Amino acid sequence: QSALTQPASVSGSPGQSITISCSGSSNDVGGYDYVSWCQQHPGKAPKLIIYDVNKRPSGVSNRFSGSKSGNTASLTISGLQADDEADYYCNSYTSSSTYVFGSGTRVTVL
Amino acid sequence: QVQLMQSGAEVKEPGSSVKVSCKTSGDTFNSSAISWVRQAPGQGLEWMTGIIPIVGAATYAQKFQGRVTITADRSTNTVHMDLRALTSDDTAVYYCARGPIVGATLGDYWGQGTRVTVSS
Repeated sequence: QSALTQPASVSGSPGQSITISCSGSSNDVGGYDYVSWCQQHPGKAPKLIIYDVNKRPSGVSNRFSGSKSGNTASLTISGLQADDEADYYCNSYTSSSTYVFGSGTRVTVL
Repeated sequence: QVQLMQSGAEVKEPGSSVKVSCKTSGDTFNSSAISWVRQAPGQGLEWMTGIIPIVGAATYAQKFQGRVTITADRSTNTVHMDLRALTSDDTAVYYCARGPIVGATLGDYWGQGTRVTVSS
């Protein structure tokens, strides 16, 4: 199972909105509404910010939103803040009853 | 509150095996699917294996089939991951990650990570 495809880096200025894409296939992203996104700051464990495509865990800012169209999922961060600078990974449940992560995207706040 | 407590760092020689553990509470153990995810230095996250402890059903990424075993110990509410035939490519931080039994969300809670170094 190959990693889902994400852009290596995305940047934006404070207050702007950015979108990160996550491309897979009908065997993973396109086949199930079990796409999650996690945020990872350097040296820290990942933190779930979006699950089931577009749901936010309790305590996660509503500046984070998720969506899906076909085999591609997306994460949008609105009102970009300095603390949003981190690595972001999508992951999806697959037709083999396994999971696959995306390649990861580094977000830089200019 | 859900807590996942992992075992300590390990240094192993090439060709040996390592066992990494993830201890939870009884409530968490009985209501969760637990996965192991690793991250090599400077690299991304990689899903390895998962288990639903109350059922005992395990799944494995094709890449690790035959080299990794995940087990759940009900007496200690602990999930273990055994990785065999270690090479330097297995040097990584290994995380356990929890998801609810209903649905297929991965990683609503994560352990603190266990660093495994493979070196002669």
